[in-house]
Amino acid sequence: QSVLTQPASVSGSPGQSITISCSGTSGDVGAHNYVSWYQQHPGKAPKVMIYDVSSRPSGVSDRFSGSKSGNTASLTISGLQAEDEADYYCSSHTTRNSEVFGTGTKVTVL
Amino acid sequence: EAQLLESGGNLVQPGGSLRLSCAASGFTFSNHAMSWVRQAPGKGLEYVSAIGASGDIIYYADSVKGRFTISRDNSKNTVYLQMNSLRVEDMAVYYCAKNRGPTSPDYWGQGTLVTVSS
Repeated sequence: QSVLTQPASVSGSPGQSITISCSGTSGDVGAHNYVSWYQQHPGKAPKVMIYDVSSRPSGVSDRFSGSKSGNTASLTISGLQAEDEADYYCSSHTTRNSEVFGTGTKVTVL
Repeated sequence: EAQLLESGGNLVQPGGSLRLSCAASGFTFSNHAMSWVRQAPGKGLEYVSAIGASGDIIYYADSVKGRFTISRDNSKNTVYLQMNSLRVEDMAVYYCAKNRGPTSPDYWGQGTLVTVSS
């Protein structure tokens, strides 16, 4: 199964904004709006931060936002905080009725 | 609030079998598709299998097709993953997830560790 491509690492200073990209194809990200983003702290389970490209579950800070253009989805974290340091994964439903994950991005707060 | 509790992870020799269980609570289990996702040590997430709300099989990854079987018991609010012919490369933390729609996880359990080693 193919995977979605993310940058290996992104960093920023507290208070700054960062954006993580998630590059797919017309068979997954580009096919519909079922893109999710997950945050994973070391030794912990993933937690959904964004679903359906840009929707936020209740309890998730509005500093997290999602968008999509063509075959690429993006996660933006505004007002970066120390607690945002974690691994982030995108995922997308596919035209083969499966789910594919991104390669993962390590976010470092400088 | 949804809760998922996995169990069954263990140390097993190559070629051996294990059955993972995931007990769900806090939501109407029979209304949701469920998934298993794994994460090898230090690696990313891999989507393993998904099952529909009524027990229809949605997906198996090519890497597990023919060796793993997903099932569910809606009367027990539990989803299972039967793993046969285990390989070293199956070693991972296995997460159970409640799905939004047919395949997209929206809530994850804490995971159970499967170690495959002789």
